[in-house]
Amino acid sequence: GAGVSQSPRYKVAKRGQDVALRCDPISGHVSLFWYQQALGQGPEFLTYFQNEAQLDKSGLPSDRFFAERPEGSVSTLKIQRTQQEDSAVYLCASSLAEQNYQPQHFGDGTRLSIL
Amino acid sequence: GQQLNQSPQSMFIQEGEDVSMNCTSSSIFNTWLWYKQDPGEGPVLLIALYKAGELTSNGRLTAQFGITRKDSFLNISASIPSDVGIYFCAGHNAGNMLTFGGGTRLMVKP
Repeated sequence: GAGVSQSPRYKVAKRGQDVALRCDPISGHVSLFWYQQALGQGPEFLTYFQNEAQLDKSGLPSDRFFAERPEGSVSTLKIQRTQQEDSAVYLCASSLAEQNYQPQHFGDGTRLSIL
Repeated sequence: GQQLNQSPQSMFIQEGEDVSMNCTSSSIFNTWLWYKQDPGEGPVLLIALYKAGELTSNGRLTAQFGITRKDSFLNISASIPSDVGIYFCAGHNAGNMLTFGGGTRLMVKP
């Protein structure tokens, strides 16, 4: 499809397990963003890539969170040693250009539940 | 924590009514965007605003970028049942990441 694609849509893991969430941005989009959305709240910024460079990771809540985009297209968000407070919807967004303040287009997210 | 205060938090609408919601901040924003999110889906961009004072329409939706750059409103005219959902304001105030409000949940009056 033409939009941002995220997989899996749902992920259930036991506390302590590692998980990997995938994002396929819109083709040709330079910038890619990850957000975390807790139940009943707005999304909160985690990290941002321009092509393969991770320009901002100030929103990552701990060193258990790691993101990569090695070839400047698909990105993976990895969470190690998951904890219950990691349960949330993880949203990926992409935007076309390198210029600041471009509108971001979101995928449907991965709903992560940690038991 | 979030820097954008969105109100109301929730509201009931009857089909045909006009709806208004707004977003305020103590910080200056460089852009304001309005998104709608349906259950189980990601936010969908409705309107993007780039200049202080800008007034932009998208069908029955109208949004404005406040003159002080610290607020924005969204109006929906002649609401229809498919308008129900959660509306988020968002903006750029430092860097390329978006800061989101807490959302306004629109519901249909029973």
